[in-house]
Amino acid sequence: NAGVTQTPKFQVLKTGQSMTLQCAQDMNHNSMYWYRQDPGMGLRLIYYSASEGTTDKGEVPNGYNVSRLNKREFSLRLESAAPSQTSVYFCASSEEGLGRESIQYFGAGTRLSVL
Amino acid sequence: AQKVTQAQTEISVVEKEDVTLDCVYETRDTTYYLFWYKQPPSGELVFLIRRNSFDEQNEISGRYSWNFQKSTSSFNFTITASQVVDSAVYFCALSVLNSGGYQKVTFGIGTKLQVIP
Repeated sequence: NAGVTQTPKFQVLKTGQSMTLQCAQDMNHNSMYWYRQDPGMGLRLIYYSASEGTTDKGEVPNGYNVSRLNKREFSLRLESAAPSQTSVYFCASSEEGLGRESIQYFGAGTRLSVL
Repeated sequence: AQKVTQAQTEISVVEKEDVTLDCVYETRDTTYYLFWYKQPPSGELVFLIRRNSFDEQNEISGRYSWNFQKSTSSFNFTITASQVVDSAVYFCALSVLNSGGYQKVTFGIGTKLQVIP
């Protein structure tokens, strides 16, 4: 079972370049999330999509945009990358859509460096 | 606002020792869920356990056990007879509903556990 698949696994960008991180899940989950993981800060939510066709800002949305392309796919775009966006990015999906009890399932992450 | 504190940033133990990872949380919500996730060197976070705020029973799963105490707002995780494969970063997380009625999860900063052979 693939679960949550993220591409690419690694990426190096120059300041000002743009790129899109792709995420797809095959578990028929309603909700999907993008987090960033930085040393000493745990995981912070960038954007989430509670269901197909909806997206909402999380804790740290500045500098990012998202698209919920369909139920399976949720992409994260950096329009003009900055060194402060150097991080490990995780996509996740949750089994129950709504509810505080939902377990989130994570992809393997994308390591992004912005020079 | 929600907060999760994992005061131990790194722990090293010798194989077969027991180790406890601490987690203290803050929330004004009366209904919430607590989670533990494991992040092995491969990178992806793996779900370990979920506990709701009304269920204070401790849980044991093999070498893993969890102690939930509402009185101290703690949800600690103990690994008995640790093994090298337990080496990972462990995250504690708190889940409530946000103002829009959707899940809001707050993660701790993680505890890196190294088990030395």
